[in-house]
Amino acid sequence: SQELEQSPQSLIVQEGKNLTINCTSSKTLYGLYWYKQKYGEGLIFLMMLQKGGEEKSHEKITAKLDEKKQQSSLHITASQPSHAGIYLCGAGGEMDSNYQLIWGAGTKLIIKP
Amino acid sequence: DGGITQSPKYLFRKEGQNVTLSCEQNLNHDAMYWYRQDPGQGLRLIYYSQIVNDFQKGDIAEGYSVSREKKESFPLTVTSAQKNPTAFYLCASSDRANTGELFFGEGSRLTVL
Repeated sequence: SQELEQSPQSLIVQEGKNLTINCTSSKTLYGLYWYKQKYGEGLIFLMMLQKGGEEKSHEKITAKLDEKKQQSSLHITASQPSHAGIYLCGAGGEMDSNYQLIWGAGTKLIIKP
Repeated sequence: DGGITQSPKYLFRKEGQNVTLSCEQNLNHDAMYWYRQDPGQGLRLIYYSQIVNDFQKGDIAEGYSVSREKKESFPLTVTSAQKNPTAFYLCASSDRANTGELFFGEGSRLTVL
């Protein structure tokens, strides 16, 4: 079965610094979704990546899917307190399967003022 | 505003009691999902429904039950058969089944005393 591993598990970053979170799959990704969760709340959809080499940006957050479609990275530029939270990646299976997401365990991001 | 409403946000239950978590959406979405989130773990799918009057078991359905009598509503009952029910429960919806772009509620935290 497919597994998603996120790294690091937690990250403390000085405000204004850049950071990267990784999501690595044991199998080819057919769709990779990034979500953000504030502590004790629901998840908010950030971005979806499907094509190898695809890169998308939303405000100061950029996500990329590598050419082999087995790893995605999420990069935050000039981090702000509003970026704090838990970032989760979710992956879709093969296109003809029952399309239920598999989730990484999440990366907890703390921004130091 | 359109969205998903979960209630209650916090719930305490004695061992041996059943409890029902409410999930209502006004997004006119066909698909709805229940996830369980435990510390340090990814989201795990309990049940999902792609259409009214139909639902399927997810990865950890044992000890849980659902109904989908209306498009807007997908309540989850945590029964006394669930051995470790203390967790954060998240309801989500999507406008179609084969997508990883989900809209989440704010979550319900269940604690068994």
